[in-house]
Amino acid sequence: AQSVTQPDIHITVSEGASLELRCNYSYGATPYLFWYVQSPGQGLQLLLKYFSGDTLVQGIKGFEAEFKRSQSSFNLRKPSVHWSDAAEYFCAVVMDSSYKLIFGSGTRLLVRP
Amino acid sequence: DTAVSQTPKYLVTQMGNDKSIKCEQNLGHDTMYWYKQDSKKFLKIMFSYNNKELIINETVPNRFSPKSPDKAHLNLHINSLELGDSAVYFCASSQGLGGTSYEQYFGPGTRLTVT
Repeated sequence: AQSVTQPDIHITVSEGASLELRCNYSYGATPYLFWYVQSPGQGLQLLLKYFSGDTLVQGIKGFEAEFKRSQSSFNLRKPSVHWSDAAEYFCAVVMDSSYKLIFGSGTRLLVRP
Repeated sequence: DTAVSQTPKYLVTQMGNDKSIKCEQNLGHDTMYWYKQDSKKFLKIMFSYNNKELIINETVPNRFSPKSPDKAHLNLHINSLELGDSAVYFCASSQGLGGTSYEQYFGPGTRLTVT
């Protein structure tokens, strides 16, 4: 069955440290891939997306993500985390022509001062 | 200049009541969606309309009825509210269907609490 997995429920990093959030999908072809961020009490904001082409994509707020077909992964990275990055991060994919955006279970990022 | 707006932001009501949540987008998009986020933050699509036509209708109780009066609006009506309906409901929109049109923009959410 098609699925999206975010294996880390919580991640805690120190301010200024680097960050990597993991996302894996299960699908036979290349899906459309997204990362969204949800700050407490807020809606979801699109950080970045991958449709095709260069597998390293740049997003807003200094985030980037790399699509690795061999690993069925689309991990989100940031070289230096700021306290304001504390939020819930969702990986999402569209896997076929169903037009459905399927979300992972989310990873909560906590930032230590 | 809110792109996707929802009203109300908070909704507290009793079991058995009927309530509506409204969504409007000013992005000129053709497609709109309703999602439900449960207490564990899990997000699941409920409905989608494209040019006022229902294209996604997930396994949702028929107490939930979406209505799209025009491309810019998608409302969600819920009859006979139950405790399990308590959640945050998000509206979203996208340019259309297929390809890069999958990029969706979300509203701020409506937190529904059924007591």
